Amino acid sequence: EPEVTQTPSHQVTQMGQEVILRCVPISNHLYFYWYRQILGQKVEFLVSFYNNEISEKSEIFDDQFSVERPDGSNFTLKIRSTKLEDSAMYFCASSDLRSTDTQYFGPGTRLTVL
Amino acid sequence: TQLLEQSPQFLSIQEGENLTVYCNSSSVFSSLQWYRQEPGEGPVLLVTVVTGGEVKKLKRLTFQFGDARKDSSLHITAAQPGDTGLYLCAGPNTGNQFYFGTGTSLTVIP
Repeated sequence: EPEVTQTPSHQVTQMGQEVILRCVPISNHLYFYWYRQILGQKVEFLVSFYNNEISEKSEIFDDQFSVERPDGSNFTLKIRSTKLEDSAMYFCASSDLRSTDTQYFGPGTRLTVL
Repeated sequence: TQLLEQSPQFLSIQEGENLTVYCNSSSVFSSLQWYRQEPGEGPVLLVTVVTGGEVKKLKRLTFQFGDARKDSSLHITAAQPGDTGLYLCAGPNTGNQFYFGTGTSLTVIP
């Protein structure tokens, strides 16, 4: 069964450093998403992406964040200058054009900012 | 912001018992999804309910969408230890932004 994959599974970085989290969505899906989950808290929407542009973003997704689909298979989330409070699990998800309500999640990247 | 409140927050039951968890909102959703999440992993989709009053069954799990599309329930019959996990409901706003519920952490004791 096709699945969303994410790398790395765990990333440790120093405050102020840039990180790039990578995702490979399900191959025939056209909508891509990033969410984050701070330890013990709700899963929170960050951004959705369709047709090579951001379609929606939350207040969390400020100028420090950016997303990119650099090629036909990868979808990336970049945090330019990490803060301690960026420590969280980051989940990528994808959905197909006919059923955007149904989103399939990857296993997540645990980001730890020291 | 469309809030989804889940209850109970924590539930610990014996194997073989039945249980129901609830997902409520003051807002109308076009659909609601139920996910199960294991510690350190991503949410795994269980079901999507779309029509008000809809009931969907997945083996021992029964999902219902409220008539007014503001709430949903998940009923598990004869719970097994393998059902242990965090159950999340989620739904989209008018766009593609998903709101997740607060979650119900279920523990089934053998």
